[in-house]
Amino acid sequence: KAGVTQTPRYLIKTRGQQVTLSCSPISGHRSVSWYQQTPGQGLQFLFEYFSETQRNKGNFPGRFSGRQFSNSRSEMNVSTLELGDSALYLCASSSDRVREKLFFGSGTQLSVL
Amino acid sequence: GNSVTQMEGPVTLSEEAFLTINCTYTATGYPSLFWYVQYPGEGLQLLLKATKADDKGSNKGFEATYRKETTSFHLEKGSVQVSDSAVYFCALSEGPPRNTDKLIFGTGTRLQVFP
Repeated sequence: KAGVTQTPRYLIKTRGQQVTLSCSPISGHRSVSWYQQTPGQGLQFLFEYFSETQRNKGNFPGRFSGRQFSNSRSEMNVSTLELGDSALYLCASSSDRVREKLFFGSGTQLSVL
Repeated sequence: GNSVTQMEGPVTLSEEAFLTINCTYTATGYPSLFWYVQYPGEGLQLLLKATKADDKGSNKGFEATYRKETTSFHLEKGSVQVSDSAVYFCALSEGPPRNTDKLIFGTGTRLQVFP
């Protein structure tokens, strides 16, 4: 069974640009969550989607948005990039039958110059 | 609000030494507690979990007991190996009755094991 796949693996952008990150969950998983990981702040919850609906949201500005498609794949978008958005963005999926057990992808390393 | 506090690292040990990584939490209700591990260049992997007070989670020689009276979930291993070198994260889930899989993570503790 394939794991959680995140693309791209690395991304370099400049301030003011926007970026879209993609996540394909484990087959059959309908819940997808996104986390931002930085050395200073650690792992911060961004948002969670279930069956195309946002189920929970963290304390990030509106520049951070996400969505989930009918096949459970998810994207997150960051507009008007700032230097502080440089981070590893991790996606995780979970199964309805085994709640709270998250399977993480390897992440997208975003660098904002 | 809910939070998790972990001991700062790095923790540096020789192979076969005993490991303890402290974790305490603040939470309302009855959260589930987790330890996740992150190897270099990879995402997080669930190491073990406990869902109620006095539960002991265990996996690959690692153990942690859910202590409600001390609000702790310390990670232990009797004999570490070089391959255990990684960053370890303690986490709690807001869980039921809230309909969410959101986890709140500690800051992580880097473990370095030398031969």
